[in-house]
Order: sequence, then structure tokens, then C-alpha cells
Amino acid sequence: DQQVKQNSPSLSVQEGRISILNCDYTNSMFDYFLWYKKYPAEGPTFLISISSIKDKNEDGRFTVFLNKSAKHLSLHIVPSQPGDSAVYFCAAFNAGGTSYGKLTFGQGTILTVHP
Amino acid sequence: EAQVTQNPRYLITVTGKKLTVTCSQNMNHEYMSWYRQDPGLGLRQIYYSMNVEVTDKGDVPEGYKVSRKEKRNFPLILESPSPNQTSLYFCASSLQGFTEAFFGQGTRLTVV
Repeated sequence: DQQVKQNSPSLSVQEGRISILNCDYTNSMFDYFLWYKKYPAEGPTFLISISSIKDKNEDGRFTVFLNKSAKHLSLHIVPSQPGDSAVYFCAAFNAGGTSYGKLTFGQGTILTVHP
Repeated sequence: EAQVTQNPRYLITVTGKKLTVTCSQNMNHEYMSWYRQDPGLGLRQIYYSMNVEVTDKGDVPEGYKVSRKEKRNFPLILESPSPNQTSLYFCASSLQGFTEAFFGQGTRLTVV
């Protein structure tokens, strides 16, 4: 049972435009959500996170939006740059309940930014 | 330099031969975890540890063991590897599970 889903395996955008990566989750016990970026032959690196008490968090070109009622979050990258081309993973953390401490990742979305 | 170090980076082994993948962090982090990455399945958590001597199962713990005898080290043990454990493995550490995690470079394991 995939509790965190990234339904778009890939996304292609033009340099300078906005990239929007989406993530859906099913477990209402998730309290924190994180986005990671992964280049080939490297480990994932942290991008941005958001607590369930917020609906938006910004860090430079990256903004994460959380819609708790829809159990949906999205990552906006504006403007997109060729160096942003990578695999993006969303992850959700369970800070309560019987699965406390577990971190669940989505399947990933491959972002390609064309010059 | 803050880092998570995994060894080995590449490993080919035979079915049933016990192996250990080591993981060490130098950031004094409480939380450490292991993941495997498979095509189409993303990163799946194998085991995590919230502190020394405290470990718990992630989503895919079958066939794996871990230990956390000291804060900096979190080895992953495959007692009897099987071909379905062929995968790319990542170790990670963070202050707490919901804070920024630092990942190792990965270990590509092939079990024949």
C-alpha cells in the first residue's frame, strides 16, 4: 500500500518557466513533509520541508504548498534552471501513533529542464 | 566536513553469503535510517533508529537486520542475501526524523 504517491513519473519544462511537482498521501497521521532532489550516482539531498500546521513554505526559488484537506502537496520551482534536472522525491514523516518515526517516500518524479 | 559514509560502494555477492554494509556519520545525529531504491518504487525505508539501542522496522524490513550500539554507526546486515535484495542502498542521518537528512553516496548490491 503506497501511502505517498507521485503520480507523474516525469516532467519536462523550459528554462525560466515554472516547474510544479505533485505528491499525494493517504495517511492523515503524517505531520511533516519533505522534498529531496537526487542526481545520478549521488545520494538524495534535502530541498525544503513543511509542517502540517502550515500551508506554505518558501526558500528562494522553491516553494512547497500543503493542502491537508486534499492530502496533497506540491513543489514549485520558479524560475526553473537546467541544473534543476534531477529526480525529486517527496517524503512524509509520522510524528505520532503506532508508526512514530517512520519516513515514507514517494516513487519520485524525473524533472528535465530544457535550455 | 559533515558527511555520511557508506562502505562498500559496490558489492557483488552470492546467495546466502552473509554481508554487512557499514554506515557512519560525523554530525552527532540521533536519527539514522536505511533505504533501498528500486526502479518505479522510489526510496523505501528498511529500518530506522531514533537513538542508540533504539531501532524499528520501516516498510520493507524482511531479510535485513540492523544494530545501533553507538551513535555514529548504523550497519545493515543481510544474514542470507537473496537475488530480490539486489538494489541500491542508502544510509541517512538527521537530528530528528522529520528534519533535513544527509544521505550517503549509496551502495549498489548485486546478489547472484
